[in-house]
Amino acid sequence: SYVLTQPPSVSVAPGQTARMTCGGNNIGSKSVHWYQKKPGQAPELVVYDDSDRPSGIPERFSGSNSGNTATLTISRVEAGDEADYYCQVWDSRSDHWVFGGGTKLTVL
Amino acid sequence: EVHLVESGGGLVQPGGSLRLSCAASGFTFSDYGMNWVRQAPGKGLEWVSFINSRRSTGSPKYYADSVKGRFTISRDNAKNSVYLQMNSLRVDDTAVYYCAREAVGARGFDYWGQGTLVTVSS
Repeated sequence: SYVLTQPPSVSVAPGQTARMTCGGNNIGSKSVHWYQKKPGQAPELVVYDDSDRPSGIPERFSGSNSGNTATLTISRVEAGDEADYYCQVWDSRSDHWVFGGGTKLTVL
Repeated sequence: EVHLVESGGGLVQPGGSLRLSCAASGFTFSDYGMNWVRQAPGKGLEWVSFINSRRSTGSPKYYADSVKGRFTISRDNAKNSVYLQMNSLRVDDTAVYYCAREAVGARGFDYWGQGTLVTVSS
């Protein structure tokens, strides 16, 4: 089945830019969705279809996808952005939704 | 406003069964595909199952390999609810189970419930 690979952790200082990657075989041909997950809370969709933002999500959140890597970028990081972030794609070969292992964003 | 509320979680012994429910409100439930996603303690998100909207011809249902043959997803559009029947439960099924609405065009899961905890232990 399709595998998505995310680095376990990323650290960034407040006000800086955080970039979190999601690797997969030819992932650029798929639509990638990103979720923010804080402890004790439900996941929240922050980017869909590679680079679109749901209403209410700050413009600081952006995404890109090409080749074998998709990237979630958070500009001007705030303490409240500290969370786990998951990428997701639909694998049409197996008819499965697939999540990456998640990246823990730490705001220093 | 969209709301999804899960119920039915609890403590069950290995080999036992449990039925989770998810009550939806604030949108035309029958127009949307629905999913179950779980998160085991200290682990990441794992997709569990999907059921299509009423508009699909055969309402396909899909399952993660880890639950196929043990879990069954269903929906009752008259009750605006989706269910997950879990049989032959194993210790590694212990997790918080979330129901999630699939956005139109499979653009991710745009609304989630708060989750219900399932603990499988003797």
